[in-house]
Amino acid sequence: EVQLLESGGGLEQPGGSLRLSCAASGFTFRNFAMAWVRQAPGKGLEWVSAITGSADTTYYADSVKGRFSISRDNSKNTLSLQMDSLRADDTAVYYCTKGNIGYYFDYWGQGILVTVSS
Amino acid sequence: EIVMTQSPATLSLSPGERATLSCRASQSVSSNLAWYQQKPGQAPRLLIHRSSNRATGIPARFSGSGSGTEFTLTISSLQSEDFAVYFCQQYNNWPLTFGGGTKVEIK
Repeated sequence: EVQLLESGGGLEQPGGSLRLSCAASGFTFRNFAMAWVRQAPGKGLEWVSAITGSADTTYYADSVKGRFSISRDNSKNTLSLQMDSLRADDTAVYYCTKGNIGYYFDYWGQGILVTVSS
Repeated sequence: EIVMTQSPATLSLSPGERATLSCRASQSVSSNLAWYQQKPGQAPRLLIHRSSNRATGIPARFSGSGSGTEFTLTISSLQSEDFAVYFCQQYNNWPLTFGGGTKVEIK
């Protein structure tokens, strides 16, 4: 059974940093791209960032480019998102997702809330 | 960026009725379109990928169609558990983009 478990969220001040992690199990982690998708309170879904299985290529939404950094550790089956220079509009539930061929998302974590507020 | 537009924003139907949800792309995404269902307080769940392929475990009452810029998700006979929000997503081009969602509510 595929499981994705996010951790690391919480309350941070504008300009601060947070690091999200996602522990993956139930599939051969290194064989699949992974991504982060977020959802602001009461709003729709927004793709944030993606990384290939081998970690040789990363992708970012313009809204986070230069501030967020995605990475993975295939020896530990872990996906991470380093979020710097946080802004109020980064407030959202962040979902860890497993990518499939062409970057649709066949499995989602339960989500973790990030709140950016002073 | 490809803009995905879903319509209607809200669909009010009764159990047993047919639901037809639309998703339009601002430029062609070929068949690289997925549909997701989200219930309150839950993560989204993949329903359909590559426009018309049901994901594992998805009931046959869910079907998808379309290519290029026009796509449709059809629920042939609404069950109580189908009342939720539905999102489309294109994965033909970067950045990946989602539609704004269609809420299917009980009439």
